[in-house]
Amino acid sequence: DSGVTQTPKHLITATGQRVTLRCSPRSGDLSVYWYQQSLDQGLQFLIQYYNGEERAKGNILERFSAQQFPDLHSELNLSSLELGDSALYFCASSVVGLAGEINEQFFGPGTRLTVL
Amino acid sequence: AQSVTQPDIHITVSEGASLELRCNYSYGATPYLFWYVQSPGQGLQLLLKYFSGDTLVQGIKGFEAEFKRSQSSFNLRKPSVHWSDAAEYFCAVGAEQAGTALIFGKGTTLSVSS
Repeated sequence: DSGVTQTPKHLITATGQRVTLRCSPRSGDLSVYWYQQSLDQGLQFLIQYYNGEERAKGNILERFSAQQFPDLHSELNLSSLELGDSALYFCASSVVGLAGEINEQFFGPGTRLTVL
Repeated sequence: AQSVTQPDIHITVSEGASLELRCNYSYGATPYLFWYVQSPGQGLQLLLKYFSGDTLVQGIKGFEAEFKRSQSSFNLRKPSVHWSDAAEYFCAVGAEQAGTALIFGKGTTLSVSS
C-alpha cells in the first residue's frame, strides 16, 4: 500500500460526458501528479500540483483540468469525453524539496475509465 | 528533451534464471533514474532509484540496477527470477523541463516460465 488513494476504481460513462477523478496523496506529500496510461501512448504525464498551485503541465488536453484543494487532495476533471479517453488514470504524490529537486513518486491504484 | 527507451517489449525467462531488463535514456545535467513494477490491475511500485553516488543501486525484491553514463543505460537485473516477478517493468527519468514529473519508457512485460 503506497498510501495514495484514488476513487473511484472503475468508471464507465458515455461519450460527451464529464467525470471527476479523486486522489488523496500520502500524508505529508505536497506534490500531486496525474498520469494517463493507455495501450498506444503508454504512461504519460498530464499535470502536477504543488501545495495547491499548478506546477507543471504535460500532455494534458484542454478538455481536461485539475485542481488541488487546501487539504491537498486533488481532482482531475475530464469533459466532453471521447472514446480515446478510455485509459487508466494514475495519481502519484511525492516530497519535493525546497530546491525543487526530483524525488521518488508513490502511485495510487489508478482509476480505470471506460468511455462507451 | 528527455526520453526513455526500453528496447524489449516482452521477455520470457525461466524460473530461477537470471534477468536483465534494458533501459536507455537521454538526460540533461543530472539524471534521476527509476525502475517501477506494475502487476496486473495494480498501481506502480518503486523498485529502486538512482540520483547520484554509487552506480550500482540495490532495490526491493532482490533487484539491482547499474547506471552507466558512457552507455546512457540503467539496466535492471535480478540473479534468480521467481514466478511472482511476472509483471510489467517501467524505467523512468526525472523530467527537468516538466517540473519534477517523470518520463516513462513503454515498459517491458516479463513472463516467467516453469
